[in-house]
Amino acid sequence: DTAVSQTPKYLVTQMGNDKSIKCEQNLGHDTMYWYKQDSKKFLKIMFSYNNKELIINETVPNRFSPKSPDKAHLNLHINSLELGDSAVYFCASSRSDGPNEQFFGPGTRLTVL
Amino acid sequence: SQQGEEDPQALSIQEGENATMNCSYKTSINNLQWYRQNSGRGLVHLILIRSNEREKHSGRLRVTLDTSKKSSSLLITASRAADTASYFCATDAGGNNRLAFGKGNQVVVIP
Repeated sequence: DTAVSQTPKYLVTQMGNDKSIKCEQNLGHDTMYWYKQDSKKFLKIMFSYNNKELIINETVPNRFSPKSPDKAHLNLHINSLELGDSAVYFCASSRSDGPNEQFFGPGTRLTVL
Repeated sequence: SQQGEEDPQALSIQEGENATMNCSYKTSINNLQWYRQNSGRGLVHLILIRSNEREKHSGRLRVTLDTSKKSSSLLITASRAADTASYFCATDAGGNNRLAFGKGNQVVVIP
């Protein structure tokens, strides 16, 4: 009965490859997010979707493309991976009505070699 | 965009002692939240305090908010080894459900 799940948990890949991370929530929330956490644990918002519509799109390279097939899923596709993309990526979800308490997934540790 | 900044960055205490962390922010907010992150895990919501509240308690947690100084503190009383984690404050200024996270405090509780 995991609330927010992400796959895979670990991803090791070569520079230049394309990879995807998947996220699913079973909380009935209508808003989902992708965050990037760097090696110093700084957490930065990348994207946010509300009811499948993009509402936050921070200054992120075009190589990153989110996709929300429905309210419960938000995937992240990354093209032409670079060394600097190595980080932990977190998915989160919340309700848009209310105080915006966010529920986080376990994270995907991406290592680009 | 505003950003919470916790102070101090790292704290090491003995089990049973209290741990206090501070957070400052720059603009008006709707609420301020504290999250915990255990090593290798996702963030877990601990407590939320609204801009019209000054103090809030939840179990061993006590949060204060001073909107005139744009600062908040998180107190963990009678700490336990299981409290060892990073603690983040996050501010909600309204609009687009955006949270701005601070840098995080690493707390180590020594048994």
